[in-house]
Amino acid sequence: EPEVTQTPSHQVTQMGQEVILRCVPISNHLYFYWYRQILGQKVEFLVSFYNNEISEKSEIFDDQFSVERPDGSNFTLKIRSTKLEDSAMYFCASSKEAYEQYFGPGTRLTVT
Amino acid sequence: AQSVTQLGSHVSVSEGALVLLRCNYSSSVPPYLFWYVQYPNQGLQLLLKYTSAATLVKGINGFEAEFKKSETSFHLTKPSAHMSDAAEYFCAVLDSSYKLIFGSGTRLLVRP
Repeated sequence: EPEVTQTPSHQVTQMGQEVILRCVPISNHLYFYWYRQILGQKVEFLVSFYNNEISEKSEIFDDQFSVERPDGSNFTLKIRSTKLEDSAMYFCASSKEAYEQYFGPGTRLTVT
Repeated sequence: AQSVTQLGSHVSVSEGALVLLRCNYSSSVPPYLFWYVQYPNQGLQLLLKYTSAATLVKGINGFEAEFKKSETSFHLTKPSAHMSDAAEYFCAVLDSSYKLIFGSGTRLLVRP
């Protein structure tokens, strides 16, 4: 069964460093998303991406964040200059028809 | 704006007992509703979804949920809990821009 994959599973970085989180969505899906979950809190939407552009972004998704689909298979989230409060689990999701989203296993980002 | 409220951050049941996890939603349009499960150190797995067809929705692992418009509820049930059901369960509503709005989650503990 096809699934969303994410790498790395755990990333540790120092404050101020750039990180890139990678996702491979399900191959015939057209809509892509990033969500995050700070430890002990609810899952929050960050950004959605369709047709090679951002469809919507949340207040969290400021200028420090960017997304890209560099080729036909990968979908990346870049944080330009990480802050302590960026420590969270980041989930990538994809969907074929915009309403049934399938999530990857997540990348745990720890900023020290 | 859509929102989701999950009553009870923790629910404890005995193995073999009925599982009932509560979810109430707020939506100005007919909602698409979802239940996701998160096992420890894993991603979000779609349990079931309501997309305005049948009001009783069956999902994986013996779970089902009933959409009640009059009560704005979408409670998740399972007739007989199994130890393997211990996990965190999230109710979510799809908003008008196709992003998921999650509840705070309910941690299910199953006692032997």
